[in-house]
Amino acid sequence: GAVVSQHPSRVICKSGTSVKIECRSLDFQATTMFWYRQFPKQSLMLMATSNEGSKATYEQGVEKDKFLINHASLTLSTLTVTSAHPEDSSFYICSARGEGGWELFFGEGSRLTVL
Amino acid sequence: RKEVEQDPGPFNVPEGATVAFNCTYSNSASQSFFWYRQDCRKEPKLLMSVYSSGNEDGRFTAQLNRASQYISLLIRDSKLSDSATYLCVVNPNNFNKFYFGSGTKLNVKP
Repeated sequence: GAVVSQHPSRVICKSGTSVKIECRSLDFQATTMFWYRQFPKQSLMLMATSNEGSKATYEQGVEKDKFLINHASLTLSTLTVTSAHPEDSSFYICSARGEGGWELFFGEGSRLTVL
Repeated sequence: RKEVEQDPGPFNVPEGATVAFNCTYSNSASQSFFWYRQDCRKEPKLLMSVYSSGNEDGRFTAQLNRASQYISLLIRDSKLSDSATYLCVVNPNNFNKFYFGSGTKLNVKP
């Protein structure tokens, strides 16, 4: 099946710094990728839809200047959490839809801890 | 009203039990439905798609009830390894829009 890889799996940073998370589709081209965050014991919350070669579409309440998304190629989307604060600590997961299909394939997730 | 709603549980059942979860959706035009499984601190993984005619995969059976706008997941002969959170996912006829339920937690105990 399709594989989506996410990196880093864990990151700890100081408050005020920026953190970049990468999401790669390893064996297929993903024109669209999705970014979610998940707090403990809660469901996935869609943050934005990342479109290759164009601007991301953000969900209501998600600050686009805070969470920068770049989808420069058909296999890579990045999420940069800028000026991170402790309340940004969360589990961030990306997903991509397989070519021609409905199934969503998820990256392994990135656990961000902001001190 | 949320797009997708699930009972968060937890459902605590003994090994060998049969357990069923329901998930309701609000958009009657929704076309695609899925059950995903998520283990603690891991990413979700597709368990099964849900077809109009219902479908079965081993101990797992998924059904769709369009009239009442819900999908169900039945697990027979529960195993300890079935312990996880089960997420209901609905695509409302928009190729790039997927709505997730909050998940139903299942604990299978020896």
